[in-house]
Amino acid sequence: DTAVSQTPKYLVTQMGNDKSIKCEQNLGHDTMYWYKQDSKKFLKIMFSYNNKELIINETVPNRFSPKSPDKAHLNLHINSLELGDSAVYFCASSQGAGMTNEKLFFGSGTQLSVL
Amino acid sequence: GDSVTQMEGPVTLSEEAFLTINCTYTATGYPSLFWYVQYPGEGLQLLLKATKADDKGSNKGFEATYRKETTSFHLEKGSVQVSDSAVYFCALSEEVQFYFGTGTSLTVIP
Repeated sequence: DTAVSQTPKYLVTQMGNDKSIKCEQNLGHDTMYWYKQDSKKFLKIMFSYNNKELIINETVPNRFSPKSPDKAHLNLHINSLELGDSAVYFCASSQGAGMTNEKLFFGSGTQLSVL
Repeated sequence: GDSVTQMEGPVTLSEEAFLTINCTYTATGYPSLFWYVQYPGEGLQLLLKATKADDKGSNKGFEATYRKETTSFHLEKGSVQVSDSAVYFCALSEEVQFYFGTGTSLTVIP
């Protein structure tokens, strides 16, 4: 069983469209994250939820809206997609929210291409 | 604020060569340190970690020692294999945040 699964794996869409990426973890973890990885492999935290509550909200455009219906799911909705949104988006989870000594489990990524 | 700096790549080595990827950090408290590896087309996986000064993390022949005096956590392997080709990320965690380095791409040629 995949521990952290995200769908779709590939997403190709036109500028201006609205799209969603879904993430689910079956590890029983309390905390989930969204990271963005650019073409140079730089990894940047976007959001983090602990037990469905937002705990990290980095400076990202408000076109990006995370939604956590329960602690096993953290979806990412993106409105009015722009060319610069093209990247690989990774979902991750960890047992708790106190990050020191925590281990992150990553999904396999969603490659978003905006045309 | 906290940050991680790792050597820029790409790094290309012949099989069985010695590998070092440098990583230094800046932290306000007592972070845990990690190396993550990303194989092509996959998400990041934990390679090894160390939670306090002088701890040595090791896995799959890779090692890194938490050096508080030099604020470093360099990754080493004595003899690399083609299957080690991947992108390696140094990271630290403190309180509610993870900080990743920029990644170092390693290619091992037969």
